[in-house]
Amino acid sequence: GENVEQHPSTLSVQEGDSAVIKCTYSDSASNYFPWYKQELGKRPQLIIDIRSNVGEKKDQRIAVTLNKTAKHFSLHITETQPEDSAVYFCAASKGNFNKFYFGSGTKLNVKP
Amino acid sequence: EAGVTQFPSHSVIEKGQTVTLRCDPISGHDNLYWYRRVMGKEIKFLLHFVKESKQDESGMPNNRFLAERTGGTYSTLKVQPAELEDSGVYFCASSQAYFQFFGPGTRLTVL
Repeated sequence: GENVEQHPSTLSVQEGDSAVIKCTYSDSASNYFPWYKQELGKRPQLIIDIRSNVGEKKDQRIAVTLNKTAKHFSLHITETQPEDSAVYFCAASKGNFNKFYFGSGTKLNVKP
Repeated sequence: EAGVTQFPSHSVIEKGQTVTLRCDPISGHDNLYWYRRVMGKEIKFLLHFVKESKQDESGMPNNRFLAERTGGTYSTLKVQPAELEDSGVYFCASSQAYFQFFGPGTRLTVL
C-alpha cells in the first residue's frame, strides 16, 4: 500500500519568513496530492492541491511543487502570518473518489 | 451550503462500553469516508461508502467496528466493545470529486 512521510513534525518561523513542509510517497500510481490545514479545534480544510500532470501550483502565498520521479511534493508558504499557525497534513491518492493516505502532520508556529 | 457535520464532538466512555458516532455528509454527496487519527499520528483511512454500499472497508481495524449508511444519507460508526486503543479523533469526509470535505471530528476517549 501507499506510505506517506511528512517532515518536519514541528516548524517554528518568524512572521514574514517562509515555511516549507515536505512529503514523500511510495506508490507511483498516486496522482492526486492535497494539502489540508487544521487550526486548533477546527476541521481539516483543503488549502491547495495538485495533480500529477503538473509540477507546480500557486495560490497567493501558498504553492505546492511535485516531483513525480523522486516521489516527493512540498508545500511552500511565503510571508507567513500568525494566522498560518496550524497543523498541516499532506496526502496522496490514486484519483477520483479514492481514499487518502495522510502524512503525520506538521505543526507550524508563526511567531509575531 | 452546510458542511459535513459530526455528532458528538466529544465522547468519554469506559472500556467495554459501546459508542456510536454519526456523520452527516454534504447534501448530494454520494461518497462518504471515515478516518481516524490516533495519538498525534497520521490520519488513517477506515472505510468508504458510495451511497449505501461499502466500497472499501480495508482500513477497519477489527470486527468491533461497524459502519452503516442507511438510505445513502447519514452514516454511523459503532464501536462495540470499546478498547483503550480505540481512543482518537474520528473524522468523516464527503466528496463528489477529487477533494474531500472533512467534518470537525469526534474525539473519543476510552478509559
